[in-house]
Amino acid sequence: DAGVIQSPRHEVTEMGQEVTLRCKPISGHDYLFWYRQTMMRGLELLIYFNNNVPIDDSGMPEDRFSAKMPNASFSTLKIQPSEPRDSAVYFCASSQQGISKNIQYFGAGTRLSVL
Amino acid sequence: GQNIDQPTEMTATEGAIVQINCTYQTSGFNGLFWYQQHAGEAPTFLSYNVLDGLEEKGRFSSFLSRSKGYSYLLLKELQMKDSASYLCAVRRDGSYIPTFGRGTSLIVHP
Repeated sequence: DAGVIQSPRHEVTEMGQEVTLRCKPISGHDYLFWYRQTMMRGLELLIYFNNNVPIDDSGMPEDRFSAKMPNASFSTLKIQPSEPRDSAVYFCASSQQGISKNIQYFGAGTRLSVL
Repeated sequence: GQNIDQPTEMTATEGAIVQINCTYQTSGFNGLFWYQQHAGEAPTFLSYNVLDGLEEKGRFSSFLSRSKGYSYLLLKELQMKDSASYLCAVRRDGSYIPTFGRGTSLIVHP
C-alpha cells in the first residue's frame, strides 16, 4: 500500500483566501484523523472520522475550519477564510480499529503558509 | 483530561545510550505510544505499551509503569540518523484516540 497520501505538500496563500487540504487514507482503514502541528502547540487533533462519519470535532479551532469525508478513500480539510495564524503543518492519519494496537499511520503532511 | 510531560531537548553522542522520559496524568489508562518524527517528515510508530514492563525491539526499548504514570524510550548504540523528535502519546481508558506530548528533540553528535 502507498500509505496515507496528502496533497498538496506545500501551500502558500494570502490571508482571506480559501485553502483546501486533501487526504487519501490507507485502504481498509476505518478511522481518519486530521492534526495540526506547530512549534508552540505541538501536535493537536482537529477532528476524526469513523466509517466516514465525524465523531469528534472539538479540536477544530473555529468556524473557519471544516472537514468532510464523502467516502472511505477521501477527506478534505477546508479553511475559509485563512489567516496567518493558521500557518502550520497539517497531517492526516488513518488507522484500523482492532488491528495492530490501532496504530495511526501519518501522511507526509501539508505545510501551509498564510501570508 | 490528560497531561503529558517530556523534556524539550536532549543531546547524546554517537554510539551511546539515551533514555527519553515521559510522565503522564490521565483519568484511566489504555495504552502508551512512542513515535519518531524526523525534521520535515511525518511521525512514524515506534512502540506500544499497555502493561507494565519493558518491550524490546532491536536498538529501541520502551518501558512502562502504570502506577507511576511513567514511561521511557531507551535508544542504544545511537546513530546519527536517530536525531529526531520523539513523541509520547497516551490513550485514556474508554477512548480510541491518543493525546500527544510536545515531543523531545534528540540531537546525536559525533
